[in-house]
Amino acid sequence: EPEVTQTPSHQVTQMGQEVILRCVPISNHLYFYWYRQILGQKVEFLVSFYNNEISEKSEIFDDQFSVERPDGSNFTLKIRSTKLEDSAMYFCASSERWGLAKNIQYFGAGTRLSVL
Amino acid sequence: QKEVEQNSGPLSVPEGAIASLNCTYSDRGSQSFFWYRQYSGKSPELIMSIYSNGDKEDGRFTAQLNKASQYVSLLIRDSQPSDSATYLCVGNTPLVFGKGTRLSVIA
Repeated sequence: EPEVTQTPSHQVTQMGQEVILRCVPISNHLYFYWYRQILGQKVEFLVSFYNNEISEKSEIFDDQFSVERPDGSNFTLKIRSTKLEDSAMYFCASSERWGLAKNIQYFGAGTRLSVL
Repeated sequence: QKEVEQNSGPLSVPEGAIASLNCTYSDRGSQSFFWYRQYSGKSPELIMSIYSNGDKEDGRFTAQLNKASQYVSLLIRDSQPSDSATYLCVGNTPLVFGKGTRLSVIA
């Protein structure tokens, strides 16, 4: 069964360093997303991406964050200068469709980011 | 601001009983709703989707949507210990997650 894959599963970094989280969405999906979940809190939307551009982003997704689809398979989230509060589980998701109905998103296993 | 509200629980039910999970949402424009299950430290896994008023059944799961009351529910029949997880009520789009209800099924 097709799945969304994320690497690495755990990333440890020093405050102020740049990190890149990687995702390979399901191959026939056109819409890609990043979410984060701080330990013990709810899953929060960060950004959606379609046709090589951001389609929607939340207030969390500030100038420190960027996304890219560098090739035909990978979808990346970059955090330029990590802060302690960026420590969270980051989930990538993808879907076939966008819009009001039937936008079923499938999630990867997540990358746990620990900022020290 | 779009919000989805859930009782965080824990909700404890005996094995074989019906578990009833509820949520309310604030955005009347939301058209699609999803129930995801999340085991501790794992990613959300889709259980059910519902788009129309009424009930939708899939195996032991029944989702209910009432758009007039802005209310979504999930019933789990014949609950099993393996159903013990956090259940996330989610509206669209982009996905707006509730905080989740922790379900504990006691053998």
